[in-house]
Amino acid sequence: GAGVSQSPRYKVAKRGQDVALRCDPISGHVSLFWYQQALGQGPEFLTYFQNEAQLDKSGLPSDRFFAERPEGSVSTLKIQRTQQEDSAVYLCASSRTGVGTDTQYFGPGTRLTVL
Amino acid sequence: KQEVTQIPAALSVPEGENLVLNCSFTDSAIYNLQWFRQDPGKGLTSLLLIQSSQREQTSGRLNASLDKSSGRSTLYIAASQPGDSATYLCAVPWVYSGAGSYQLTFGKGTKLSVIP
Repeated sequence: GAGVSQSPRYKVAKRGQDVALRCDPISGHVSLFWYQQALGQGPEFLTYFQNEAQLDKSGLPSDRFFAERPEGSVSTLKIQRTQQEDSAVYLCASSRTGVGTDTQYFGPGTRLTVL
Repeated sequence: KQEVTQIPAALSVPEGENLVLNCSFTDSAIYNLQWFRQDPGKGLTSLLLIQSSQREQTSGRLNASLDKSSGRSTLYIAASQPGDSATYLCAVPWVYSGAGSYQLTFGKGTKLSVIP
């Protein structure tokens, strides 16, 4: 596609439910990033994939967060047993190579509200 | 650890005014610096990316400068319009872990309101 797409755009979950957020990166992009943006804050890094390999998950806040990219294209971020503090916008970004000089292109985000 | 700060947190200007948004970072060993725009409820739109070897980049009414030695960047918006109202974020790629992923470190943003 022309850009990074994410679905759903909005998700409301009851505390304790599991959710799955999808990211479709730009076709052919090697690197994929997930970020979490709390209200009034800048995005913060969660995890990074190079093709299908998850090379960095240092930003995942707890073991309730899990991400995968099994075929090196579409990625899913899963949150188990959601808590109110998980409420945020989850942004996905992709870049052509992932080197430091590369531009990251962002999707529209998924706004998660946990009641 | 790389830290990015943006001042001011919010700015309100009358239409037509020129304005400057500021971004500072603590470690000058960066590859580039990127300015983004974020509209309410939307994702991030890349405005300008300045490579570390460059001093400035221009796109239309936008001009971004980079001074690595002082750890500063500015985004200059000329002849502001109500459609420029949004939150502006700056970010630098940074490697925190041995995995080598160039995750972006963001400032908290400057919320700009341009009054007609």
